[in-house]
Amino acid sequence: DGGITQSPKYLFRKEGQNVTLSCEQNLNHDAMYWYRQDPGQGLRLIYYSQIVNDFQKGDIAEGYSVSREKKESFPLTVTSAQKNPTAFYLCASLPRTGALNQPQHFGDGTRLSIL
Amino acid sequence: DAKTTQPPSMDCAEGRAANLPCNHSTISGNEYVYWYRQIHSQGPQYIIHGLKNNETNEMASLIITEDRKSSTLILPHATLRDTAVYYCIVSGGTSYGKLTFGQGTILTVHP
Repeated sequence: DGGITQSPKYLFRKEGQNVTLSCEQNLNHDAMYWYRQDPGQGLRLIYYSQIVNDFQKGDIAEGYSVSREKKESFPLTVTSAQKNPTAFYLCASLPRTGALNQPQHFGDGTRLSIL
Repeated sequence: DAKTTQPPSMDCAEGRAANLPCNHSTISGNEYVYWYRQIHSQGPQYIIHGLKNNETNEMASLIITEDRKSSTLILPHATLRDTAVYYCIVSGGTSYGKLTFGQGTILTVHP
C-alpha cells in the first residue's frame, strides 16, 4: 500500500546535537510538508516543498533545516539552534500544492525528546 | 485560510450518531472544508471533505450549510474506536496546501 513512512518513531537528542528525522513517501506526490505538534495543540507548519530541489519556510522554521534531493524523501534536521525541540513531528504530502480538492496524507509521526 | 471554531469536547454513546459542529464564517468561495481526526500518538487521519454540497463516504457524512459558514460532521454509528480529536479545517486558495489545525474537538464515545 502507498503511504508515508516516518522514522524513527521515538528519538532522543542531547544538548548541542543535531538530529535528523526521516520522511519517505511512495505516493508519487510532488508536495511534502513538515509540521510540529505540541501537547494539546494543533499542528504548526515548519517547512514545505512543492517540488524536488525546492523548499520554503513555514511559520516556525527557525532552528530547523530540510532538503529535497529526491521526490520521495524530505528529511528534517532539528539543529542545536532549536532551543525547545521536544514535540511530535508529522510529515505529510499532497499530489501537488495546487490540488485544492485532495486531502493531505500524514505519516505516523516522530516523537522527539531532550535527554 | 479561514479560521474555524469547534467545541472543545463532546460525548457520545456507543452506537448512536455523533454530530460534530464547526463554524467557518470567513470561508471564501474556493476554500474546501476538510475533516481529520487524530488518535493519541498517531498522525491525523483524513475523514471527508467538501466544497458546498453534502458529502458521504464509508466513514462519515458532511453537511455544509447553504451559506457555507458552518458544517457538521456526522459519524452515523459511533464506536469506542471513534474516540479521538476531530479537526475541522478550511483550506484552499493560495495557501500552498498548508493546513491550519486548531485545537479540535475531543470526542469521547462511551459504552
